[in-house]
Amino acid sequence: DSGVTQTPKHLITATGQRVTLRCSPRSGDLSVYWYQQSLDQGLQFLIQYYNGEERAKGNILERFSAQQFPDLHSELNLSSLELGDSALYFCASSVRQGQTEAFFGQGTRLTVV
Amino acid sequence: GIQVEQSPPDLILQEGANSTLRCNFSDSVNNLQWFHQNPWGQLINLFYIPSGTKQNGRLSATTVATERYSLLYISSSQTTDSGVYFCAVTVSGNTPLVFGKGTRLSVIA
Repeated sequence: DSGVTQTPKHLITATGQRVTLRCSPRSGDLSVYWYQQSLDQGLQFLIQYYNGEERAKGNILERFSAQQFPDLHSELNLSSLELGDSALYFCASSVRQGQTEAFFGQGTRLTVV
Repeated sequence: GIQVEQSPPDLILQEGANSTLRCNFSDSVNNLQWFHQNPWGQLINLFYIPSGTKQNGRLSATTVATERYSLLYISSSQTTDSGVYFCAVTVSGNTPLVFGKGTRLSVIA
């Protein structure tokens, strides 16, 4: 168990809908990262937060947004869902940005039908 | 941005065999991690190894930062070692992990 908790583990929804993925980082970790892994693809960085502030953005679609709350948990919102958004979404956390070991949650498997 | 290349892309081993997985990166890094993604999709931390050598049971890793590569050694492989092995790096203190495309390992009994 990495200590990073993601909910839900599985999500099936229809095209056009909106979903929210939740992540609780390890105790003491201030930095949260979101990654997307599509079928047979590598892990693509979406967005990073540090202590409530957005710090880096990857190839995140405009339909996607995220935030980190004062209690340090984070949510990734995906809207106007398309079939191509079906993927495994990971959250990771680390104590600081970049130069410390990152730990990943179990992921949320999103299926858009 | 930094390029992370892993080789080989696929590897099939007989149970009990040894293997070496390689990760090359195109720029200086200040963080390097190896992960194992099991068949259920979980990403498991293997090593945090920006430089030097570490060992954990049948697995060991070496990073030669000056030559921009890292190696993951798996000895006496078991079927439970099957999955995808990822190398990931950060370039500076404020950047997120950049992943290679992984090595898919299949260990056959």
